[in-house]
Amino acid sequence: DAKTTQPTSMDCAEGRAANLPCNHSTISGNEYVYWYRQIHSQGPQYIIHGLKNNETNEMASLIITEDRKSSTLILPHATLRDTAVYYCIVRAGGSNYKLTFGKGTLLTVNP
Amino acid sequence: NAGVTQTPKFQVLKTGQSMTLQCAQDMNHEYMSWYRQDPGMGLRLIHYSVGAGITDQGEVPNGYNVSRSTTEDFPLRLLSAAPSQTSVYFCASSYSTGGAREKLFFGSGTQLSVL
Repeated sequence: DAKTTQPTSMDCAEGRAANLPCNHSTISGNEYVYWYRQIHSQGPQYIIHGLKNNETNEMASLIITEDRKSSTLILPHATLRDTAVYYCIVRAGGSNYKLTFGKGTLLTVNP
Repeated sequence: NAGVTQTPKFQVLKTGQSMTLQCAQDMNHEYMSWYRQDPGMGLRLIHYSVGAGITDQGEVPNGYNVSRSTTEDFPLRLLSAAPSQTSVYFCASSYSTGGAREKLFFGSGTQLSVL
């Protein structure tokens, strides 16, 4: 699996957009970028995933650079409930049951 | 829908005891997996299953056994508990629909302490 690099922690003001970066410079052509988050003591929650194109759902947007070496998860209007550890994971399609979770980014949304 | 259900939520064992962590899903998912999470760490894959009767080892399988006799259930057995197995355990399930199908559903976790 391609290795990912994320900042250890980030802060965001409530109501503002939270932009979480992820570097995956060794990603290969068949690998997807997945984002999960884990609110304290709970099981991780799927957010979004993508291959090449930008993706948007009801939770977030995923922007993948044209060379696919990095991506950004965007929470458009962060709330206090978005405080969590966010994991960026790169994995080939068809093997999501073997996802490898690193340490992620602790996003703290402040009032 | 209940989703992925893990029992118990909390458990304290003495070194050498055995026990089974239960995991059940009601979504007819073919894939199930077990992860452990230690303080300040990400999740590490213990065992996984791609269908009933099929299991395989993940990153940290030693000290754990699994079986998958039905689609719904994927129990994790600790044969002889050790303090190093003190952790939070998460069960997850997922399905295959072809193409970009990758979404894991997680249970709420079992917090295990081995004294």
